[in-house]
Amino acid sequence: QQQVKQSPQSLIVQKGGISIINCAYENTAFDYFPWYQQFPGKGPALLIAIRPDVSEKKEGRFTISFNKSAKQFSLHIMDSQPGDSATYFCAASGAYDYKLSFGAGTTVTVRA
Amino acid sequence: DSGVTQTPKHLITATGQRVTLRCSPRSGDLSVYWYQQSLDQGLQFLIHYYNGEERAKGNILERFSAQQFPDLHSELNLSSLELGDSALYFCASSPRTDEQFFGPGTRLTVL
Repeated sequence: QQQVKQSPQSLIVQKGGISIINCAYENTAFDYFPWYQQFPGKGPALLIAIRPDVSEKKEGRFTISFNKSAKQFSLHIMDSQPGDSATYFCAASGAYDYKLSFGAGTTVTVRA
Repeated sequence: DSGVTQTPKHLITATGQRVTLRCSPRSGDLSVYWYQQSLDQGLQFLIHYYNGEERAKGNILERFSAQQFPDLHSELNLSSLELGDSALYFCASSPRTDEQFFGPGTRLTVL
């Protein structure tokens, strides 16, 4: 049973466009929500993370929006570049259970 | 480069065999996590060690075991291998309880 549901499975965006990936969770004990970026043949790389006490966090072109009441969070990639083409995973972990539960992943393709 | 190293990068073996995957965490990180990535199951947590002690187990098969040594490197042992064990195996290390930094992975192919 997947504890974190991620959508869409894949998306294609034009260079300069905005990529939006959504995740939802059920476990209210989750209190840490990271996003990972993975290129083929590589390990997941920590991109950005948020805790439930804030509704938004921005780092460069990457923004996490967090809705605690809806138990949803999303990643926005602004001004998407071909180098952003990768698979993105949302994840969640709890305060006393540090294992990460991952979403199924979204493959983002940025067309030049 | 996350600073986490894993060896070997690729491993090809036969069903019924036993293999050992090795992970060296980032300098100073006391926690090591193991994850399995497969096409049908996605990224799944296997086991967590902190400073040599097992802290949590996920859906890890009884044929799989792990340990963390005094120098903090960790090994994941997979025995009686089956075709379905073919996957990418990642370890991650953490300086605290939340941020996890992943290694490059070991690709295991069971023939």
